[in-house]
Amino acid sequence: NAGVMQNPRHLVRRRGQEARLRCSPMKGHSHVYWYRQLPEEGLKFMVYLQKENIIDESGMPKERFSAEFPKEGPSILRIQQVVRGDSAAYFCASSPGTSGSSYNEQFFGPGTRLTVL
Amino acid sequence: DAKTTQPTSMDCAEGRAANLPCNHSTISGNEYVYWYRQIHSQGPQYIIHGLKNNETNEMASLIITEDRKSSTLILPHATLRDTAVYYCIVRALNTGNQFYFGTGTSLTVIP
Repeated sequence: NAGVMQNPRHLVRRRGQEARLRCSPMKGHSHVYWYRQLPEEGLKFMVYLQKENIIDESGMPKERFSAEFPKEGPSILRIQQVVRGDSAAYFCASSPGTSGSSYNEQFFGPGTRLTVL
Repeated sequence: DAKTTQPTSMDCAEGRAANLPCNHSTISGNEYVYWYRQIHSQGPQYIIHGLKNNETNEMASLIITEDRKSSTLILPHATLRDTAVYYCIVRALNTGNQFYFGTGTSLTVIP
């Protein structure tokens, strides 16, 4: 049973380019979360998605960032016109759902390290 | 979600028990205490969680005080591979499910 998969693991972009980060949740998981970790800081929640729906995007910057989780395929975090401040590790987590469980462990992927030159 | 307070860093001798404290004095009655760790910038790894009873699994034990305002994560026999940043998080069910990570405790296990 493969865990959460993220690709690419490392991504280098020049300022102004677009970055696309992909996340494939664990098999059977329909909930995906994206977190960002700046150097020497803890993880910060960005967005929570279920299939075809954004449930909570309260942690997403208002501009240039978007996320989707289509019916088929991985979840995508897109950053348009990247700036140096976007350089960070981006982690994806998945969970099976919110109902019928005493807790809801999130399984994290290995992350994508984005470097903006 | 309630905030947590953890020491910035701790050391522990290899083979000894590592006791990591966490204060969560504003925890609500429906909020669980979760512990995750992050080894050298890898993705966070779930360790254990609890509501009010002490919990134990193959990785660690979680001791929650009776008033639930603090807890301690215990790694009974620390190894070098336990060197990591440990995050204490409190979260209620059905609150969107996102975890709010603080800065955690950087645990260094010393040979």
